[in-house]
Amino acid sequence: DAKTTQPNSMESNEEEPVHLPCNHSTISGTDYIHWYRQLPSQGPEYVIHGLTSNVNNRMASLAIAEDRKSSTLILHRATLRDAAVYYCILRDRSLNDYKLSFGAGTTVTVRA
Amino acid sequence: DTEVTQTPKHLVMGMTNKKSLKCEQHMGHRAMYWYKQKAKKPPELMFVYSYEKLSINESVPSRFSPECPNSSLLNLHLHALQPEDSALYLCASWPGPTNTGELFFGEGSRLTVL
Repeated sequence: DAKTTQPNSMESNEEEPVHLPCNHSTISGTDYIHWYRQLPSQGPEYVIHGLTSNVNNRMASLAIAEDRKSSTLILHRATLRDAAVYYCILRDRSLNDYKLSFGAGTTVTVRA
Repeated sequence: DTEVTQTPKHLVMGMTNKKSLKCEQHMGHRAMYWYKQKAKKPPELMFVYSYEKLSINESVPSRFSPECPNSSLLNLHLHALQPEDSALYLCASWPGPTNTGELFFGEGSRLTVL
């Protein structure tokens, strides 16, 4: 599995944007970039995913570098509810099964 | 119904006990998953069932025995576990190839082995 590198932790103030970087220099052409987050005492939840182009949804935006070797998850206005571990994961779309292998993730703390 | 439901939420068992964890989804999803998560660590994939057949086993010890009786139900049978098997066990489901994005997770079953 291609690996991702994320900072261990990040802090943000409430209502400010949060930019979470992810490096994936060994990404292959068949890898999707996925982001999940895990709130305390809950299972992971899907945030967003993309292949080559930037993506937006109601939760976040995903900015993908032109060479695809890095990406950034953007939370536009952090709330206390956004405090979680954020996982950047590469998924090989050529596989028949949806196989998701989690790395260490980034722990996001939001200050009121 | 957009939920993956796991029972029980908490389970305490001895090393000689036999117990089972249960997972249900009624979204018509074609694949179901078991993950294991130790405290302050990321989830680790254990098993994947695709169309009710075991398609991925990540070299999990035989004291963990998965079962998929039908497309909505996934069990994890536990026997002769060790204290180091204490963890949060997460179930997940995936709609299938027409959905490229989302794996749906349950809230987990927290297992303590004494």
